[in-house]
Amino acid sequence: QVQLVQSGAEVKKPGASVKVSCKASGYSFTSYYMHWVRQAPGQGLEWMGIISPSGGTTNYAQKFQGRVTMTRDTSTSTVYMELSSLRSEDTAVYYCAREMAHCGGDCPGDVWGQGTTVTVSS
Amino acid sequence: QSVLTQPPSVSGAPGQRVTISCTGSSSNIGAGYDVHWYQQLPGTAPNLLIYVNTNRPSGVPDRFSGSKSGTSASLAITGLQAEDEADYYCQSYDSSLSGYVFGTGTKVTVL
Repeated sequence: QVQLVQSGAEVKKPGASVKVSCKASGYSFTSYYMHWVRQAPGQGLEWMGIISPSGGTTNYAQKFQGRVTMTRDTSTSTVYMELSSLRSEDTAVYYCAREMAHCGGDCPGDVWGQGTTVTVSS
Repeated sequence: QSVLTQPPSVSGAPGQRVTISCTGSSSNIGAGYDVHWYQQLPGTAPNLLIYVNTNRPSGVPDRFSGSKSGTSASLAITGLQAEDEADYYCQSYDSSLSGYVFGTGTKVTVL
């Protein structure tokens, strides 16, 4: 079945970087865009950016430009999200979400990973 | 803060109908960009509920329906059930931000 499996929880110190992985299975990896979304404790959802697994092109939310890098490895059907210069406000659950294909408009995330908790603390 | 505004909470008795609004602007919903809705149960990832304004993915009960008009969209839940108690988020694209945006989120409580 279609599945996105993310890497495990991370604890980082302020100023460090974190790299979260999202391994796809059950579908053609290069045929679907992948989004990254985060959710701080008790807060709402926040869109971080999108990557095309086929060509590797990216579009980052303005808030994260310069601090986020999204990459992919087609040989392992895995996308990565790296966030640098971490601060306490980056403590959140990070999700990858596959973009639905051929939805007839702007397409949503139809399959989500289980989430990766990133804690930034000194 | 989010550019899509939702009421923080709505509530209703079992069997009742509740609606959740999602108010945007001329750079997102009003510009014609589609609206999607997600349900998030406590401690779990969001689940797609409505896509492209009015469409339900397979497996989503027809108690859930979406609409869009002008700079706003709405999610309606009819025949409210205890299992509908969750957080709900709208999503659209914003041309001034050149990216996707989520609503502020609404907690639905079943009385």
